Amino acid sequence: NAGVTQTPKFQVLKTGQSMTLQCAQDMNHEYMSWYRQDPGMGLRLIHYSVGAGITDQGEVPNGYNVSRSTTEDFPLRLLSAAPSQTSVYFCATQGSTLGGPTERLFFGSGTQLSVL
Amino acid sequence: DQQVKQNSPSLSVQEGRISILNCDYTNSMFDYFLWYKKYPAEGPTFLISISSIKDKNEDGRFTVFLNKSAKHLSLHIVPSQPGDSAVYFCAAILGGYQKVTFGTGTKLQVIP
Repeated sequence: NAGVTQTPKFQVLKTGQSMTLQCAQDMNHEYMSWYRQDPGMGLRLIHYSVGAGITDQGEVPNGYNVSRSTTEDFPLRLLSAAPSQTSVYFCATQGSTLGGPTERLFFGSGTQLSVL
Repeated sequence: DQQVKQNSPSLSVQEGRISILNCDYTNSMFDYFLWYKKYPAEGPTFLISISSIKDKNEDGRFTVFLNKSAKHLSLHIVPSQPGDSAVYFCAAILGGYQKVTFGTGTKLQVIP
């Protein structure tokens, strides 16, 4: 099992360009989320999804769009990249019980994005 | 407003000694607390968790202590090993388990 796969691992963009960060999971987890990691800031939640067709905003959603058409995939779109979006991005999944998601997150290996 | 704080950005410990990583939080409604370990160029990996109704959880060399009155939790690693050198993130969950709040991380260096 690959777990949570993120592509690309590295990306350099110019201000104003758009791109999509891919996240795919083979764990059959309903819950998926995107985080960004910045120095001195820890990991901050961007968007999350509780299942196919359902997404919601996290702590820092501005400048990012998401969609969830399948259980396996949860892409993160930057419509017009800005230098403030230079960061390391992590996709994560959570399993579920009858009562909702479990507490443990499984992370991908990350995408390092630089916006010039 | 940083609801989960790790005030020590770094920590150095001799191999075989105890490592103690600390975390403070402000929201008494958090349901679960977790510790994640992160190596360079990798995603964080789950280490250990504790429910807000408990005060201690142990897993091998790792023990997490929760002091609800002080809104403080700590991770003890005994004995510390060079492979434990990594960044450790404290995290807290508030209801529904979907929104996880992370601390800023503590970089642990275990010196052989």
